[in-house]
Amino acid sequence: AQKITQTQPGMFVQEKEAVTLDCTYDTSDPSYGLFWYKQPSSGEMIFLIYQGSYDQQNATEGRYSLNFQKARKSANLVISASQLGDSAMYFCAMPPGGGADGLTFGKGTHLIIQP
Amino acid sequence: DTEVTQTPKHLVMGMTNKKSLKCEQHMGHRAMYWYKQKAKKPPELMFVYSYEKLSINESVPSRFSPECPNSSLLNLHLHALQPEDSALYLCASSQEPAGGYEQYFGPGTRLTVT
Repeated sequence: AQKITQTQPGMFVQEKEAVTLDCTYDTSDPSYGLFWYKQPSSGEMIFLIYQGSYDQQNATEGRYSLNFQKARKSANLVISASQLGDSAMYFCAMPPGGGADGLTFGKGTHLIIQP
Repeated sequence: DTEVTQTPKHLVMGMTNKKSLKCEQHMGHRAMYWYKQKAKKPPELMFVYSYEKLSINESVPSRFSPECPNSSLLNLHLHALQPEDSALYLCASSQEPAGGYEQYFGPGTRLTVT
């Protein structure tokens, strides 16, 4: 089964600074995908970005980018020019492995952007 | 339109009640999911429907009963719940039942069992 580790329970960042949220994973699947989701206090999970293990380039979506290091099994999320609205829980996730469907989530990082 | 809707938003029920949670998507997605999320924890997968067929039941107690009446609707029937079942219940859908597709989540139903 896949294992996802997010080692930062909480982070405080000044507005407009860049922030990196860590995610490491363990899998025996030769091909896999990694997802990042944002969960504001309202509860809805918002999809941010996806990285496929065979993608040649690191994924980017607006202010979000993935620092994907396959050999290190890490997929860190980088948020550039942070905004107050970025304050939320952030989860790294991937399918359970072995062809199973659904997502397994890391424990999450609570990001607080300070003015 | 990437919207998944869930009703009700909040639900309080006693341990002897029967209630249902409803989820709907009109994106033509062929996979739908139920997750349970306790406070300050990540979501945990409960059920997966692929092409309207239940494909995964993550050893969830029988007091939770999923139903997929058609490709757009997903229900979760609740009966004889326990206080520890109080949680945020999230519904999600994805284009196909495979690992490479992002899941779109609804806003969730906050359930309190008294």
